[in-house]
Amino acid sequence: RKEVEQDPGPFNVPEGATVAFNCTYSNSASQSFFWYRQDCRKEPKLLMSVYSSGNEDGRFTAQLNRASQYISLLIRDSKLSDSATYLCVVNIPYLYNFNKFYFGSGTKLNVKP
Amino acid sequence: EAGVTQSPTHLIKTRGQQATLRCSPISGHTSVYWYQQALGLGLQFLLWYDEGEERNRGNFPPRFSGRQFPNYSSELNVNALELEDSALYLCASSRPPWDEQFFGPGTRLTVL
Repeated sequence: RKEVEQDPGPFNVPEGATVAFNCTYSNSASQSFFWYRQDCRKEPKLLMSVYSSGNEDGRFTAQLNRASQYISLLIRDSKLSDSATYLCVVNIPYLYNFNKFYFGSGTKLNVKP
Repeated sequence: EAGVTQSPTHLIKTRGQQATLRCSPISGHTSVYWYQQALGLGLQFLLWYDEGEERNRGNFPPRFSGRQFPNYSSELNVNALELEDSALYLCASSRPPWDEQFFGPGTRLTVL
């Protein structure tokens, strides 16, 4: 079983729509969580860290559900420029003082005019 | 603060040759990670270095190797290049154990 699983999509939504992605993780010892955005043929860029209490940055809201072992990303009022692949990342303890990063395969979002 | 830098931007090689890719992490970051991303596919973890030591290795053959220097910069070497090695090679850096990774712009390797 993969450490991190995401629906690959694509999610095709009109401008202004609200869209939500979920990401599930298998290791209950996972300690930190992130969402990255990757544009076509570019490097991934950190979108937000995900905290236990949930966090919001403008139109973007991230939530963590430890009991069900998933994180979510909500995008409100979608813009054309939100079209990208969204990567879920989980940080799991590895060796005595290191954590290891696991990347999901990404969810593709297409925002249409 | 300068970001992660990678060189070269593009690299064209022929089958059987060797390629060397370089990465400079963000100042203060001790961990460097290498990933391979073939066109249209997800990130595949290659190597992780911290404090000059290899901490973990992905499921790649031994002809993929690397090292980290005392200044925390790193290089990735790919020997005996094969056509399927054509991909975007991304380097990321972080401050273990908790901090997020930051990526460089990548090196696009084409093997002819």
